[in-house]
Amino acid sequence: EADIYQTPRYLVIGTGKKITLECSQTMGHDKMYWYQQDPGMELHLIHYSYGVNSTEKGDLSSESTVSRIRTEHFPLTLESARPSHTSQYLCASSEFRGGLNEQFFGPGTRLTVL
Amino acid sequence: AQTVTQSQPEMSVQEAETVTLSCTYDTSESDYYLFWYKQPPSRQMILVIRQEAYKQQNATENRFSVNFQKAAKSFSLKISDSQLGDAAMYFCAYTLTQGGSEKLVFGKGTKLTVNP
Repeated sequence: EADIYQTPRYLVIGTGKKITLECSQTMGHDKMYWYQQDPGMELHLIHYSYGVNSTEKGDLSSESTVSRIRTEHFPLTLESARPSHTSQYLCASSEFRGGLNEQFFGPGTRLTVL
Repeated sequence: AQTVTQSQPEMSVQEAETVTLSCTYDTSESDYYLFWYKQPPSRQMILVIRQEAYKQQNATENRFSVNFQKAAKSFSLKISDSQLGDAAMYFCAYTLTQGGSEKLVFGKGTKLTVNP
């Protein structure tokens, strides 16, 4: 399995709380991504980063924010969690291999907002 | 719109048998990459196999192979000699290059059950 970690794996929290989902990788990859995945559905890209101090919004609008202060760390923050944020959040990183960026995924954080 | 369609929400196969998961996609690009990812229950998503669109030869990785039909925009995954450990969600995806960035576009997935 790839060396990309996410904590916590499961989080149940009340509405209005601020939360940060952690993602770190030890592979030295420049590119990192956050996806949102509802049960039984496809992954949607919500944020990505091509390196330190670089962050972009993905295709799916999200109220979350991200930061990339260190290469290995790409945390995602929700300032005020709502039930609509209940989902699974997958972090990924990629390296250029064989002519393309191959993405490696973390185990995910399953978030439930009550 | 750039989309990926997996028409089989669920599939099942007997252990040691062969199963084919279908995927069609829609892209206006001429050069792209296609992928099949496997997501076991409560485990990390891993890459199963990939195909470069400019290559006519179908990719093969041990028991996994693809049938790539570029004109039909079809990219099916064949799993031979199915094993219990193959049970998972399988996602078809392709790379989309847009504004200098490269992104993955995923289908909704197919849940594969392997029966002993």
